[in-house]
Amino acid sequence: EAEVAQSPRYKITEKSQAVAFWCDPISGHATLYWYRQILGQGPELLVQFQDESVVDDSQLPKDRFSAERLKGVDSTLKIQPAELGDSAMYLCASSLGQPGQPQHFGDGTRLSIL
Amino acid sequence: GIQVEQSPPDLILQEGANSTLRCNFSDSVNNLQWFHQNPWGQLINLFYIPSGTKQNGRLSATTVATERYSLLYISSSQTTDSGVYFCAVVSNGGATNKLIFGTGTLLAVQP
Repeated sequence: EAEVAQSPRYKITEKSQAVAFWCDPISGHATLYWYRQILGQGPELLVQFQDESVVDDSQLPKDRFSAERLKGVDSTLKIQPAELGDSAMYLCASSLGQPGQPQHFGDGTRLSIL
Repeated sequence: GIQVEQSPPDLILQEGANSTLRCNFSDSVNNLQWFHQNPWGQLINLFYIPSGTKQNGRLSATTVATERYSLLYISSSQTTDSGVYFCAVVSNGGATNKLIFGTGTLLAVQP
């Protein structure tokens, strides 16, 4: 079964540093999502792409977070500068383009800010 | 926005026992998924079930969309079933396809 690939698996960095996460969705999936999961809570959407266009970034802290999907395939999520409160699991998911299709998640990147 | 509530919040079982987890949602949905998050943080897709009943081995799920709830059944539980179970939905009237997650059920299966 095809999988969503994410890297790195773990990232430890100091506050005020820059950090980047990468996601490669399942081939043919037009929709790509980045979710953030704080310890003890369910994941929450940060940004949704349809092909290379942003559909929803209403919960993305745009002063420090950026996301891109330049060719409509893989995607990068960046934080600059990182803050202590950014420590969380960052999950990427993908789905076919039609509404209501199931979302398939990668293994996530666990970020720790020191 | 749509609200998703799960019960019970936590559950302790002896190996071999059966259990039922419940998910209530406040509006009509076009997607409902059940996930198992293991101790390593991996979110494993168990069922895509906006309506009807499905079974996969020891697990089965039923969604009654008209009454806005879904149930996940675990039979003959094993220690590897431990972890957090999430229900997540996409609102039928939503502008985007984002999943709204419930607060989860923490399951511990003891040998």
